[in-house]
Amino acid sequence: GAVVSQHPSRVICKSGTSVKIECRSLDFQATTMFWYRQFPKKSLMLMATSNEGSKATYEQGVEKDKFLINHASLTLSTLTVTSAHPEDSSFYICSAREIGVFEQYFGPGTRLTVT
Amino acid sequence: GQNIDQPTEMTATEGAIVQINCTYQTSGFNGLFWYQQHAGEAPTFLSYNVLDGLEEKGRFSSFLSRSKGYSYLLLKELQMKDSASYLCAVRDQQGGKLIFGQGTELSVKP
Repeated sequence: GAVVSQHPSRVICKSGTSVKIECRSLDFQATTMFWYRQFPKKSLMLMATSNEGSKATYEQGVEKDKFLINHASLTLSTLTVTSAHPEDSSFYICSAREIGVFEQYFGPGTRLTVT
Repeated sequence: GQNIDQPTEMTATEGAIVQINCTYQTSGFNGLFWYQQHAGEAPTFLSYNVLDGLEEKGRFSSFLSRSKGYSYLLLKELQMKDSASYLCAVRDQQGGKLIFGQGTELSVKP
């Protein structure tokens, strides 16, 4: 079946630094990737949609200069949290969709802790 | 606006049947998904409905009524490992993005 990986699975960083999270589709070409964040005991909140080779579409209230998304190839999208603050601590999950397939496949998530 | 409602938590007994309801009001509709999520893990796909009616898949079934903006997930022969959060999500017509409900935390007791 379709597999999506994320790296790293856990990261701790200091306030003010930047962190990059990678999302890869391992056995299919993902024309569209989605980035979500999830707070404890809460549901997934869509942050942005990225299509390969074009700019990401951000949801209302999500700062595009803070959460930089790059979808440079059909198998890789990256999310960079710039100048991280403790309130950015969260579980970040990506999902990927192959053209013509209805289902989205989720990555295992990245736990970000900003100290 | 977009609104998807599910009960916050439910409790059921091992071996029993439980129904988790989901109502939605969204600007577009292109299918409804149910996902299972264990704590600290990514969601896993359970079912997909785009037409009215019941979809059965082993111990899990999902029902959709588009006119009522309503779906349910039915879990039969509950097992302890079914204790998890169950997420209802509607796919928006534009761009295929999923809008998630807050999730229902199901606890299965012996």
